[in-house]
Amino acid sequence: QQPVQSPQAVILREGEDAVINCSSSKALYSVHWYRQKHGEAPVFLMILLKGGEQKGHEKISASFNEKKQQSSLYLTASQLSYSGTYFCGTEGRGGADGLTFGKGTHLIIQP
Amino acid sequence: NAGVTQTPKFRILKIGQSMTLQCTQDMNHNYMYWYRQDPGMGLKLIYYSVGAGITDKGEVPNGYNVSRSTTEDFPLRLELAAPSQTSVYFCASSGGLAGRNEQYFGPGTRLTVT
Repeated sequence: QQPVQSPQAVILREGEDAVINCSSSKALYSVHWYRQKHGEAPVFLMILLKGGEQKGHEKISASFNEKKQQSSLYLTASQLSYSGTYFCGTEGRGGADGLTFGKGTHLIIQP
Repeated sequence: NAGVTQTPKFRILKIGQSMTLQCTQDMNHNYMYWYRQDPGMGLKLIYYSVGAGITDKGEVPNGYNVSRSTTEDFPLRLELAAPSQTSVYFCASSGGLAGRNEQYFGPGTRLTVT
């Protein structure tokens, strides 16, 4: 089942903060975050694993609530380079078979 | 280190034609994936492979076939192209289980079927 992301779109001024949410109806073992700029490939941001382990870029902050099957991505003091579409992804049946991605959150940062 | 490369970058097919999308990675990753991305949608998994000689279906495999004869290459075959296959196709690889490892994406192939 596809995770649900909210909001669908956000417009910010440079320097403002944003939170992007991802929720699933099934038990999650991990949540992944990727950013995609227009016409480009998705780029890895972070993995949050059940049990609290995180892998990713130091400048990115995120949380994972295992009980609620939810994750949030925190973008603070936004920069113009943060613009793009953010996708959360959840792992498949056995962990090996790829990710199931949400529909994405479009983030526009204005100067 | 080129990472994941895909060819071609763009292609226009007529209905009923066939083609192969090429994907190569130079990171010695066992796990490889094919996704398609339609406008306004997330990526959907077509096929995946956990190593040479091993492939399996993802969420949307109909109309596609794959093979994995080497660790480096994971081509995607479209047979009898249909307008519904108009999409951007991304190949990805990871060094371990998808759920626990970063996926590296290729630049994508934009396919139009008319």
